[in-house]
Amino acid sequence: EVQLVESGGDLVQPGGSLRLSCAASGFTFSSYWMMWVRQGPGKGLEWVANIKPDGSEKQYVDSMKGRFTISRDNAKNSLYLQMDSLRAEDTAVYYCVRMQRSAPVDDWGQGTLVTVSS
Amino acid sequence: DVVMTQSPLSLPVTLGQPASISCRSGQSLVYSDGNTYLHWFQQRPGQSPRRLFYKVSNRDSGVPDRFSGSGSGTDFTLKISRVEAEDVGVYYCMQGTHWPWTFGQGTKVEIK
Repeated sequence: EVQLVESGGDLVQPGGSLRLSCAASGFTFSSYWMMWVRQGPGKGLEWVANIKPDGSEKQYVDSMKGRFTISRDNAKNSLYLQMDSLRAEDTAVYYCVRMQRSAPVDDWGQGTLVTVSS
Repeated sequence: DVVMTQSPLSLPVTLGQPASISCRSGQSLVYSDGNTYLHWFQQRPGQSPRRLFYKVSNRDSGVPDRFSGSGSGTDFTLKISRVEAEDVGVYYCMQGTHWPWTFGQGTKVEIK
């Protein structure tokens, strides 16, 4: 059974930093692109970043580029999101996602809540 | 960024009746490889999203056949042939053709 378990969400002040983690199991982690998607309180879904299986290619939404860093450790079956210079508008539930555009592969974690507030 | 526009944003339906959600993109979603990366997601209350369809009309695992996806280019539709209570939630279209990938605003399906 595929499992994606996020952790690291917390209350942080504006300008602060946070590192999210996602522990993956039930599949060959090193074979898949992985993603982060977020959802603001009472709002819709927003893509955050993607990372290639070997970590050599990363894609970011412009509003997060330079502030967020996606990374992975295939030896630990783990995905990360380092978030710096956090703003109030970054407040959201952050989901770890495994998805393939051309195959019936779609798995989401339960999400971890990040709250940016003073 | 490619804007995805869904309608309606709220859809009250009677149990057993059909429902239809429209999704329009600001530009063609046909990728250079010939595929159209338009997906549909369902998010039930209090749950994580799950994908229903990939590439317009390909059903993901476990999706009931009362759901169907169709469309091409910039116009797409999600249909439910007979709405059941478990279908309550918010439905999102999403394009995976142009980076950044973008979602529609969501359509809230509720029972009348």
